[in-house]
Amino acid sequence: NAGVTQTPKFQVLKTGQSMTLQCAQDMNHNSMYWYRQDPGMGLRLIYYSASEGTTDKGEVPNGYNVSRLNKREFSLRLESAAPSQTSVYFCASSLRSGAPNYGYTFGSGTRLTVV
Amino acid sequence: ILNVEQSPQSLHVQEGDSTNFTCSFPSSNFYALHWYRWETAKSPEALFVMTLNGDEKKKGRISATLNTKEGYSYLYIKGSQPEDSATYLCASRDRGSTLGRLYFGRGTQLTVWP
Repeated sequence: NAGVTQTPKFQVLKTGQSMTLQCAQDMNHNSMYWYRQDPGMGLRLIYYSASEGTTDKGEVPNGYNVSRLNKREFSLRLESAAPSQTSVYFCASSLRSGAPNYGYTFGSGTRLTVV
Repeated sequence: ILNVEQSPQSLHVQEGDSTNFTCSFPSSNFYALHWYRWETAKSPEALFVMTLNGDEKKKGRISATLNTKEGYSYLYIKGSQPEDSATYLCASRDRGSTLGRLYFGRGTQLTVWP
């Protein structure tokens, strides 16, 4: 099925370990986003990419890096995981960033626990 | 950062009841308002995207209205069913967000009891 695929679905890391969350979409969307969801908080934007080759910081970028590898793939890297990064991470994509009418398509999420 | 507020935070209704909840957003520089439905253990799914003042959208028993002048949107569910139980998110975008960036509210968690 067409959509946004995130891997892995679950991950446990030790403090200081690194990992990369993968996201791929097959809808030919231009824009891609990484959000985190914490209890009692709305979805908060970590990084986004309006188009292939561009990335920008969102509200909570500290401790993360991203790569827009090509039009399909947008990865999120934690270089040195901290317990404060325990969260559920969602990748999303939309067709065009400049037009108002396009909704997001979300991946199924990655539940990350840092111990 | 846009301040998007949703109320109530949670809502419990009986099957068959109609219900509504509110999303408030900054009216200045408004560009678009999105509603998403988020079931537990799944990913958010887009319900509506609205841009014009007075817009009304409908999908089955769910409808939404938009008032951009005063900065609010209502989501209505007619004859709630247990399968409507989910968190309903709204998100706003202003004209300064040329890169498609949305600001999400914290959601309204709806539970429909049979």
